Formats: sequence, C-alpha cells, structure tokens
Amino acid sequence: EVQLVESGGGLAQPGRTLRLSCAASGLSFDDHAMHWVRQAPGKGLEWVAGISWNSGNIGYADSVKGRFTISRDTAKNSVYLQMNSLRPEDTALYYCAKDKGGYIGPIDAWGQGTQVIVSS
Amino acid sequence: DIVMTQSPDSLAVSLGERATINCKSSQSVLHTSNNKNYLAWYQQKPGQPPKLLIYWASVRESGIPDRFSGSGSGTDFTLTISSLQAEDVAVYYCQQYYTPTLYTFGQGTKLEIK
Repeated sequence: EVQLVESGGGLAQPGRTLRLSCAASGLSFDDHAMHWVRQAPGKGLEWVAGISWNSGNIGYADSVKGRFTISRDTAKNSVYLQMNSLRPEDTALYYCAKDKGGYIGPIDAWGQGTQVIVSS
Repeated sequence: DIVMTQSPDSLAVSLGERATINCKSSQSVLHTSNNKNYLAWYQQKPGQPPKLLIYWASVRESGIPDRFSGSGSGTDFTLTISSLQAEDVAVYYCQQYYTPTLYTFGQGTKLEIK
C-alpha cells in the first residue's frame, strides 16, 4: 500500500521560510513523478509544483514561481518543498501526491496533508 | 496555463437519480500523438484527501463503482453518476495533466442530496 507522509508544516511569519517533506513508501519511488497540491481553508484544490521521476521536468504554479522549490531524494524516497518569501495567501493544507506515471499522468495517491499558516 | 472551468458550482440531486458535472478546458487536452485526453476527475469528502475516480477522461480507476463514468474530448468533458448514492456526497474536481509538471484543477462542484 502506498503511503505518503508529509511533515514540516507550521506557523510562519510573512517573508519567512518553511521546508515541507514527504516520505514515500510502498511504491517504486523512482518510477513516479511527484507533486505538491494545496487547499486553502474552505477552498478548492490548487496544484503547486511537480517533479518528474528523474527531476528532469519541474514545474510550478504561477502563484509560487520564484519563491518555492521542489526537489526529490531517491535515496530517501522523499520529496521536498522549499517555501521562501511566504505570504498570508500561502496558508493552506499542503498535500504530497504521487503521479501514476513517471513523467506525466493523473495523481493516484495522496498524503493526509501538512498545515501551513502564514501570519504575523 | 490551461484554465479548467466546472459547471455548476453546486448541484442537488435526489437519491437514485443521475448527476452530471461539466468541465471545460481553455485549450484542448487531447494529445493527437496517442489520441488520449489528459483529463482526470477526483472526489473529495470532508476531512479527506481527494480520490482519483477517472483518468484519460473515461477510464475508471480500480475499485471505483461503475455508476461513475467520464466522457468528452478536446475541451469539453462530463462526469456522470448514474444513480446517486448517499456516499457520493462530496466535492468533485476535474484536472488536466496535458503538460508535464504543469497541472491545473477546476474550481470544484459540490454535490448534495436533494
């Protein structure tokens, strides 16, 4: 069974940084692209960032481009989201998610999420 | 970026009746190289992460009841629940994965029992 466990969320002041981590198990990690998707309180899903199986393809939503960086570590079966210059509008539940494919495909597994609150 | 627009924003349907949710993309998500539509549907219940229902616009994910079906091509897609059950109350999202690592979701459709 695929398990994705997020950590690293919390309260941060505007302009500060947070680093989210996602530990994956129960899958061939190298075979799958990975994503971060967020959901602000009472709002819909927003895709944030994605990284292909070999880190050769990386993409970001316009709302986070230049501030967030996604990366992965095959040895640790983990994916990360470095969040710089945080803004109040970044407040959300952040889900780690697994792609069906290594390069492109639907998202077929999700973690339970880690909460990020940006407030002074 | 491809913008996904769902309609309606909310929907109330009687138990046992058909529910239909629409999704429109700002550009085609049909790859002519393989004739596949890069479109998925998800279900999200309160307090839970989303769950994949349909991908490639019409392929049901393993374990999903056959009352759920997807159709459409190019820019216009539909999720149909043929006979609404109480456990289908949820928010439904469409999503395009046409461009690698540049995905977008629709705004969501809230489905309730009438």
